[in-house]
Amino acid sequence: DAGVIQSPRHEVTEMGQEVTLRCKPISGHDYLFWYRQTMMRGLELLIYFNNNVPIDDSGMPEDRFSAKMPNASFSNLKIQPSEPRDSAVYFCASSLEFRQGNSDTQYFGPGTRLTVL
Amino acid sequence: DQQVKQNSPSLSVQEGRISILNCDYTNSMFDYFLWYKKYPAEGPTFLISISSIKDKNEDGRFTVFLNKSAKHLSLHIVPSQPGDSAVYFCAASASGNTPLVFGKGTRLSVIA
Repeated sequence: DAGVIQSPRHEVTEMGQEVTLRCKPISGHDYLFWYRQTMMRGLELLIYFNNNVPIDDSGMPEDRFSAKMPNASFSNLKIQPSEPRDSAVYFCASSLEFRQGNSDTQYFGPGTRLTVL
Repeated sequence: DQQVKQNSPSLSVQEGRISILNCDYTNSMFDYFLWYKKYPAEGPTFLISISSIKDKNEDGRFTVFLNKSAKHLSLHIVPSQPGDSAVYFCAASASGNTPLVFGKGTRLSVIA
């Protein structure tokens, strides 16, 4: 399996532009998670899906952020309009089960480094 | 409000010595704890975990200790190797549909 795939790996954009981050989870995984990593706040959960349905989006910082999972093999995270404070590394992760155990851990993608100028 | 705290942003250890990474948590409902390891330009990868019914779990050079009364866990790496140089994240979860909560990470540098 190729693991969790994220694109693009790097994104540089100007303030006010729309940004779309993409994720392909591991096939067969029922859960998909979007995280944001910053120096100040570490690794924060933004939203997670179960069987393509958003379950908890309480971590989404503002209405400027939205995420969808139209099918089991794809999710996207959109920021519109983007702001400099959105600059961070965004990770997507997937897992078979929700409850984390030795065999059901979250598998992370390589991340997208977003820079908003 | 950080429920999982890693108070040391960085740690340097000589090759062959023991590395001890610490993690504190505030939520008494947490009953499962994990450590993830992250290399630059890669996503975090699962390293080792421990359930609250145990106080120690060992996997090769890696051992995690849990002190529930102190709400503290630690990761021991013995002996440390240069390839262990990475950022280590502590994470915790509670029963039920509550997601993992991560600490801010500790950057470990193992010096040859």
